Amino acid sequence: EIVLTQSPGTLSLSPGERATLSCRASQSVSSNSLAWYQQKPGQAPRLLIYGASSRATGIPDRFSGSGSGTDFTLTISRLEPEDFAVYYCQYYGGSPRTFGQGTKVELK
Amino acid sequence: QVQLVQSGAEVKKPGASVKLSCEASGYTFTNYYIHWVRQAPGQGLEWVGIINPSGGDTTYAQKFQGRVTMTSDTATSTVYMELSSLRSEDTAVYYCARMSHGLGPFDYWGQGTLVTVS
Repeated sequence: EIVLTQSPGTLSLSPGERATLSCRASQSVSSNSLAWYQQKPGQAPRLLIYGASSRATGIPDRFSGSGSGTDFTLTISRLEPEDFAVYYCQYYGGSPRTFGQGTKVELK
Repeated sequence: QVQLVQSGAEVKKPGASVKLSCEASGYTFTNYYIHWVRQAPGQGLEWVGIINPSGGDTTYAQKFQGRVTMTSDTATSTVYMELSSLRSEDTAVYYCARMSHGLGPFDYWGQGTLVTVS
């Protein structure tokens, strides 16, 4: 099983600032089968990034993903008010699918 | 448009079973696998398992082996997840989610069903 560790647990930032979220895998992730999701309170997760760096349909270009192997990053270039949420990385290259524990991006 | 609509909230006693549904629309039901994911209150996301709605083949997370059963009904484009021997730790929101083509991420999610075991 691939264990994903996200850091930091919480990121306190202001609108307009840059957010950098990290996801580290316990072993190399095949074919960059790494996704990022955003979740707001009371809502289902929403797919942001797949294949480590490809934006899902309708996702603004301020969201970008990078990385390979065991180290991955989600960057939000300039935070908008609607971006304050919890973000999860996910391995989807086989079973079991696994999720990181989440990073909360909160208003400073 | 693609939609996954889940059944309503459930309250169950410890030891009971619960069967949740997830009705798909807006796409060819048999062409996409469906996953189930759960989220305990204030916690992260936990993968439960996957079903191929076409053939009915399933893979479950080891943690749930023996307690979970996923089935599909192609006539109604609905997948079901039954969890038995419920305990308080099973209290969570359960989501169904569609897997995009191939071995892909989860591109559409249901609204979630709250299961309370008390």
